[in-house]
This record gives sequence, C-alpha cells and structure tokens, in this order.
Amino acid sequence: EDKVVQSPLSLVVHEGDTVTLNCSYEVTNFRSLLWYKQEKKAPTFLFMLTSSGIEKKSGRLSSILDKKELSSILNITATQTGDSAIYLCAVEPNTGTASKLTFGTGTRLQVTL
Amino acid sequence: GAVVSQHPSRVICKSGTSVKIECRSLDFQATTMFWYRQFPKQSLMLMATSNEGSKATYEQGVEKDKFLINHASLTLSTLTVTSAHPEDSSFYICSARAVAGGKAFFGQGTRLTVV
Repeated sequence: EDKVVQSPLSLVVHEGDTVTLNCSYEVTNFRSLLWYKQEKKAPTFLFMLTSSGIEKKSGRLSSILDKKELSSILNITATQTGDSAIYLCAVEPNTGTASKLTFGTGTRLQVTL
Repeated sequence: GAVVSQHPSRVICKSGTSVKIECRSLDFQATTMFWYRQFPKQSLMLMATSNEGSKATYEQGVEKDKFLINHASLTLSTLTVTSAHPEDSSFYICSARAVAGGKAFFGQGTRLTVV
C-alpha cells in the first residue's frame, strides 16, 4: 500500500524566516508527487513533480524531488503570515486511469509576526 | 488554474435524511473524480474514485450503500449521504482530474452537520 509521511507535523516560525517541509513516500511505480496548501477550506494546488521535472519554483515557494531518497522538500523563503496553512504532500502511482492520490497527514505551518 | 465547484458549501440536516453534494468541473472534462472526507486536524481520507460512466470504486471500510456516488457526465459527480447519522458529520471534499497523471483540482468542500 502506498504511504506518505510528512514532517514536521507542525511548525511555528516568525515572519521572514525560511522553512523546509519534508515528505517521504513509498509507492509502487511512481508517477508524480504533488504539494497542496490547505487553509480553511479545500486544498489548492502548488506543485507537481515527476521524473522529468524534479524541481519547481513559484515566487517564494520551491520544491525538489529526490527520487533516489524517495522524498521531496517544500521550501518557503521570507515567510509571511499568509503562508500559515496546512501543507499536504501526495503521491500518485502509475496505474492507469484508476490511479489515485495518497496524502500525507500534512504539516501545519503557523507564521507569526 | 482549473476550477472545480462544489455545492453546497455547508449543510445541516436531520438524522435519517439524505443529503446530496455536487461536484462540477467548470472548465475541463473530468474523467476521474475523487471524494474525500476530512476530520478536524486530520488529512484527507479517500472515500471513493469515480470514472465517468462507470461504477465508483470504494475504499475499504466505506459503505457504498450509504455513500452513493454518481458520475453521470464528464463535468458532474454527486455524493449522496443516505440515512445520515451524526457520525457522518464531517468535511467532504471532491477533486477532479482530466487525465491520469494530470493535476487534480479540489472543490471548495462541504461541511455536513447531522443533527
């Protein structure tokens, strides 16, 4: 069974700090790893990483996939209070049309002034 | 980005009644839709996967007769919670994907309270 473990479970930082969130996974026949940000409602998409695209960047957020170590990190630089959220990591196996995402428990990030 | 609309965002119902939640992909055709349940401070728990025109595939432990899923078109899937119980109170979220391997986008979620 596919498995995703995120660490830390929760994190409190000061505005302006840089944070690194971790995600490790076990999946049969890896297809992709996705990062989502969840505030009060449903998750919003951040990044998708595949074998052909192991590093993504968008503004202050960036993510790297390490296929050898079966892990990924999500970096947020110069954090702002608006970055406070739960960050979810998910993996998708390459099992055809029925493939589904397996989510980790998430990292709860709180950015304080 | 792609838009997935979920309705209603919040619903309160009496025990024993049924509630229908709709999930629509507004600007793409979703061959697959997923239904999740999320308890407070916990991650998303996949309930079922539905492909357009075929029966949903339920995860272990999810009662298919209680949580009826219909994916009648490429833009609409519905989840009906039948004979609702207070224990069914939760946050239900759908996500939609155009193709396998593509990005999955989430609806806004539905907070169900059964009284």
